Amino acid sequence: GESVGLHLPTLSVQEGDNSIINCAYSNSASDYFIWYKQESGKGPQFIIDIRSNMDKRQGQRVTVLLNKTVKHLSLQIAATQPGDSAVYFCAENHSGAGSYQLTFGKGTKLSVIP
Amino acid sequence: DSGVTQTPKHLITATGQRVTLRCSPRSGDLSVYWYQQSLDQGLQFLIQYYNGEERAKGNILERFSAQQFPDLHSELNLSSLELGDSALYFCASSPEGNFYGYTFGSGTRLTVV
Repeated sequence: GESVGLHLPTLSVQEGDNSIINCAYSNSASDYFIWYKQESGKGPQFIIDIRSNMDKRQGQRVTVLLNKTVKHLSLQIAATQPGDSAVYFCAENHSGAGSYQLTFGKGTKLSVIP
Repeated sequence: DSGVTQTPKHLITATGQRVTLRCSPRSGDLSVYWYQQSLDQGLQFLIQYYNGEERAKGNILERFSAQQFPDLHSELNLSSLELGDSALYFCASSPEGNFYGYTFGSGTRLTVV
């Protein structure tokens, strides 16, 4: 497969455990956030999103938490599976900028140990 | 299959050359976005087109240009290529006004030798 990044933070998790991936965002004006999953050789895939008027949002096996005070975002994956192994990116958008361009974080590589 | 088609998947070219990357958005999507993903810079927004018009510009070099055609497909032109331009180039499309439809293609890997 193709390497997305050689110097990414790596999180190794035992299969079945919960994973927490963190992201610090930079723009205090950002009001929309998305988590993406990128598998080797593929483009980023939408996982879950959250708007700045929320603190928490849950999806299927995933939860996103937003702390605007410290500009921090986290992605929690419950009962992590081998198929969750990938690079995870947070992305932010400032709707006042007038477009839907996204600013991405550096990414975290999640490795699931069977 | 995300519905966003990028061609070619791989491209190897020499420094100083010019290449064109192509993107066909999902059916019905009016917006196309180009991103560059390199090892040291991560995913960076380059440019957005909406229904044929440039909508937003990011960190796009002057050597790079893009356009969106009446059939909504888009092309990213990279000229006077340098070794540092080697990267994955992604296209994304959206219906505009709906982030749930913001979908990425599988990318074009450009290698400049």
